[in-house]
Amino acid sequence: DQQVKQNSPSLSVQEGRISILNCDYTNSMFDYFLWYKKYPAEGPTFLISISSIKDKNEDGRFTVFLNKSAKHLSLHIVPSQPGDSAVYFCAATRGGADGLTFGKGTHLIIQP
Amino acid sequence: DAGVIQSPRHEVTEMGQEVTLRCKPISGHNSLFWYRQTMMRGLELLIYFNNNVPIDDSGMPEDRFSAKMPNASFSTLKIQPSEPRDSAVYFCASSPGTGSPAGELFFGEGSRLTVL
Repeated sequence: DQQVKQNSPSLSVQEGRISILNCDYTNSMFDYFLWYKKYPAEGPTFLISISSIKDKNEDGRFTVFLNKSAKHLSLHIVPSQPGDSAVYFCAATRGGADGLTFGKGTHLIIQP
Repeated sequence: DAGVIQSPRHEVTEMGQEVTLRCKPISGHNSLFWYRQTMMRGLELLIYFNNNVPIDDSGMPEDRFSAKMPNASFSTLKIQPSEPRDSAVYFCASSPGTGSPAGELFFGEGSRLTVL
């Protein structure tokens, strides 16, 4: 029973265009959502987060949108760059202290 | 600053052998987490500690798995006996608990385990 779902295992985007990665969750108790980025042979690294009291958080080229009524969040990367090619994990937590529940990840490939 | 340090990076063993994975969290972090990554199940939380005390081990798959944190700077995850289905990448992560975004974890580079 997956509480955090990333339904697209992979996504290919042209360099310079917008990348949109999607994530759905089922547990309405989640109150904080995070995106992690992972390169091969490395551990995941924190990218951006959003609290459930907000609907948008922006950090440079990265913006996360949260739609609580739909239990959906998305990560927008614009413009996409070759270094953005990685696996992106959506994660959620309740209260922040109990660890993160992760989706299975989306492999983003930025085409030159 | 040193990040989370895991060892070994790679381990190949035979079914039935004992495997011990090690983790040194970031100094000052008071929470430590063990995750397992597989293609089928993604990243799963196995167990986490707060101030060296195990808080939730409901993700530990079987009694063959055990984890300890004898002090604030060291943790082990042991599998005995190991089975081929335990083959995965095992990540350790630590968290400061305060002063960073809620839930933000700092991951090690992982230990890739192959059980033949």
